[in-house]
Amino acid sequence: GENVEQHPSTLSVQEGDSAVIKCTYSDSASNYFPWYKQELGKRPQLIIDIRSNVGEKKDQRIAVTLNKTAKHFSLHITETQPEDSAVYFCAASSGTALIFGKGTTLSVSS
Amino acid sequence: GAGVSQSPSNKVTEKGKDVELRCDPISGHTALYWYRQSLGQGLEFLIYFQGNSAPDKSGLPSDRFSAERTGGSVSTLTIQRTQQEDSAVYLCASSAGQGVQETQYFGPGTRLLVL
Repeated sequence: GENVEQHPSTLSVQEGDSAVIKCTYSDSASNYFPWYKQELGKRPQLIIDIRSNVGEKKDQRIAVTLNKTAKHFSLHITETQPEDSAVYFCAASSGTALIFGKGTTLSVSS
Repeated sequence: GAGVSQSPSNKVTEKGKDVELRCDPISGHTALYWYRQSLGQGLEFLIYFQGNSAPDKSGLPSDRFSAERTGGSVSTLTIQRTQQEDSAVYLCASSAGQGVQETQYFGPGTRLLVL
């Protein structure tokens, strides 16, 4: 079955810096890759997703890139702000389910 | 509109007891998912309901876990003979339409503690 690895597990940056979180997946049939943000004590919320027919997608300060050959995808956050501090989860589709990475705790200090 | 709701928000039980967790999806959403989130772990898929189709139970960790969805809306996740390793946050999500590429909207979760 699908396996998703996410790195790093924790990431600390200064406000205004960029942050990059990387994920790899194992199932070449996966074709949908969402990213969820979970603030402390809150529910996960979708922030961006990408489908296998594109290599990059951007939404304001957030971008996601996908390399299907290498089976990895990344989340890029530019000009980080304190409110970006949260746990970020990547996921890959597998049949009817999403298989999630273990999460990255991002801390943005001002 | 109202989002996904779950009850109870917290549940403390003794080892060996049965528990029922409830999920109310967004009105009109045909797909419903249950996940388990253990401390420091990602979201572990448990079960998927789509309309009136047979559920995908491939993620249920043991036969102590079961779930139902009545009338294509409310879902109940039941854990029988709870064990301490069942302690986790149980999250429900719903989505419109068919297929895993539809955005999943999560509920606030039920935090289960088995003593």
